[in-house]
Amino acid sequence: AQSVAQPEDQVNVAEGNPLTVKCTYSVSGNPYLFWYVQYPNRGLQFLLKYITGDNLVKGSYGFEAEFNKSQTSFHLKKPSALVSDSALYFCAVRDRDTGRRALTFGSGTRLQVQP
Amino acid sequence: DAGVIQSPRHEVTEMGQEVTLRCKPISGHNSLFWYRQTMMRGLELLIYFNNNVPIDDSGMPEDRFSAKMPNASFSTLKIQPSEPRDSAVYFCASSITGQRQETQYFGPGTRLLVL
Repeated sequence: AQSVAQPEDQVNVAEGNPLTVKCTYSVSGNPYLFWYVQYPNRGLQFLLKYITGDNLVKGSYGFEAEFNKSQTSFHLKKPSALVSDSALYFCAVRDRDTGRRALTFGSGTRLQVQP
Repeated sequence: DAGVIQSPRHEVTEMGQEVTLRCKPISGHNSLFWYRQTMMRGLELLIYFNNNVPIDDSGMPEDRFSAKMPNASFSTLKIQPSEPRDSAVYFCASSITGQRQETQYFGPGTRLLVL
């Protein structure tokens, strides 16, 4: 079985400050890891993914995420937050050693960036 | 380049009525996924197709739900009869199976309200 935990329901940060949205995962094999962002009344937009290789993954809109195998974490980061980054963020995992292609999502973290 | 297209965007119906949700995946994608998003359960997979064939329908709640993919460019999710607990946002996503970078791209969703 695979699972994702996003321990924070909401993260508040001031504009211009760095932000981190936490994610830990559990899979029996090796993970594919994804971050998606959802704006109000919109679908999920792909931000970035970890497949293999470098532990630091760079994605859209200046976001990056760091894969840490020992801590089974894949935290989303951005050096300088923008008000427009305020949205709902989802971490997702898929076990690349099984044939199951469905993603398992975390519960989501609402990011609020204050001006 | 058109993304995943879903229709209708909003649906309000009465309990007992049949509801049909539609999805057009991204051209060239050969996997299609239906997810449901609710406050209580978050994002969960209902069913996914590969090359128009249902591969995993373990997430389909019960016999009232059915999904079809008659060709590579169209899928439907049908609920008959609908119940108030089916109220949710239903997302369709598509991807290219077989590529290492198997990113799922989501449609805007259908917001269903069953009265």
